[in-house]
This record gives sequence, structure tokens and C-alpha cells, in this order.
Amino acid sequence: NAGVMQNPRHLVRRRGQEARLRCSPMKGHSHVYWYRQLPEEGLKFMVYLQKENIIDESGMPKERFSAEFPKEGPSILRIQQVVRGDSAAYFCASSPGSPDSPLHFGNGTRLTVT
Amino acid sequence: SQQGEEDPQALSIQEGENATMNCSYKTSINNLQWYRQNSGRGLVHLILIRSNEREKHSGRLRVTLDTSKKSSSLLITASRAADTASYFCATASGTYKYIFGTGTRLKVLA
Repeated sequence: NAGVMQNPRHLVRRRGQEARLRCSPMKGHSHVYWYRQLPEEGLKFMVYLQKENIIDESGMPKERFSAEFPKEGPSILRIQQVVRGDSAAYFCASSPGSPDSPLHFGNGTRLTVT
Repeated sequence: SQQGEEDPQALSIQEGENATMNCSYKTSINNLQWYRQNSGRGLVHLILIRSNEREKHSGRLRVTLDTSKKSSSLLITASRAADTASYFCATASGTYKYIFGTGTRLKVLA
């Protein structure tokens, strides 16, 4: 049973370009979370989605950032017009959504904006 | 804002010693979970304690929860070099939105 798959592992973008980060949750998991991590820091919550619905996007900047989890296919975190401050590791986690179910994490996408 | 804060931020011990790290949080919770992160990797779930539980064990791990003080501790007994990692607590309330603390970086010296 494959774990949470994130791709790409590393992504380099120039300022002003778009970054698309993909996350395929574990089989049977309908809940997806995105977190951002700066070096030597904790994980900052960005957005929580269920299939075709955004449940909580309180941690996501209002501009340039968007997330989706379509009925078919992976969850996508999209960052438009990237700036140097967007450089970070972005982690996706999934869960079946039942109470007390732990999160299963992917190995992250490391975004570098040059 | 971040829910949890771990303490200490960094901890260095000798192999075989016990490691204790603490987590404080701010609001009421459904459960509290501890995760480990090895350098460059995603987080791995270690143990979950529900809000109505006070203590839980899993192998060399012991977790306590004090809801009156809004704090939890993770004890790793007989530490090994392979335990070197960052450890995070995560709290969930209501809508399964998990908020992570700032982490404790543990280094176990062989």
C-alpha cells in the first residue's frame, strides 16, 4: 500500500513563475492537509481539504496561493507569481478523516525560488 | 497562530539516557499526537493520546497528558543514536484541523 506521494521532490522556480505541487493521498484517504516548513522550524498549517471541498484555508495567504482536491487525481497546491519568501518545504498529509486517525505524511516538495 | 510549543527547543543526550520533551497548547483538544521527523523527510506518527487519557505507552515511548495545565510530555527511554530527529506535538480540536508545535531537536550521541 503506497504511502502519501508528493512530487516533485525538488522544484526550482524563478521569481514570477508559477509553482504546482502535487500530492496523492494514501488509498482510502479522503482528507488532505498542506503544511509549510522553513528550515529549523515547525510546520505551519496552510489548508485542509476533503474531496472537492476546502474545509479550512485559514493558514493560506489570500493572494497567489490556491489549493484543490478534485474528485479524480491528486491534490494540487498552486503558487502563482512566486517570490523568494515562498522558498520552503511543503508537506502534504492525508487521513481517512475518522476521529483519532493519525496523519500520514509525504516526504515533501522543496521549493526554491531564485 | 501555532497551537503547540515544545520545550526544550534542542536536547543533546548520551546513548542509553532518557529524553524528555514537553508540549504546551492553548485551547481545548480532542487528542494530542506526537510525531518524529528525520532530516529531509516527512513526519512519522508515533503515538496518540486522547483528551480523556492521562498516560500512554508504546515500546520505549511514554506520553502523559495534563489537560488542566494544557501540557503533554514525551519520554523516550534508553535512547539510541537512531532516535536522533525532531519531535513535534500536534493537537486537534473540532474539525480535525491539526496544528503542530515548534518541535524539539533531539541529538543522541553514541
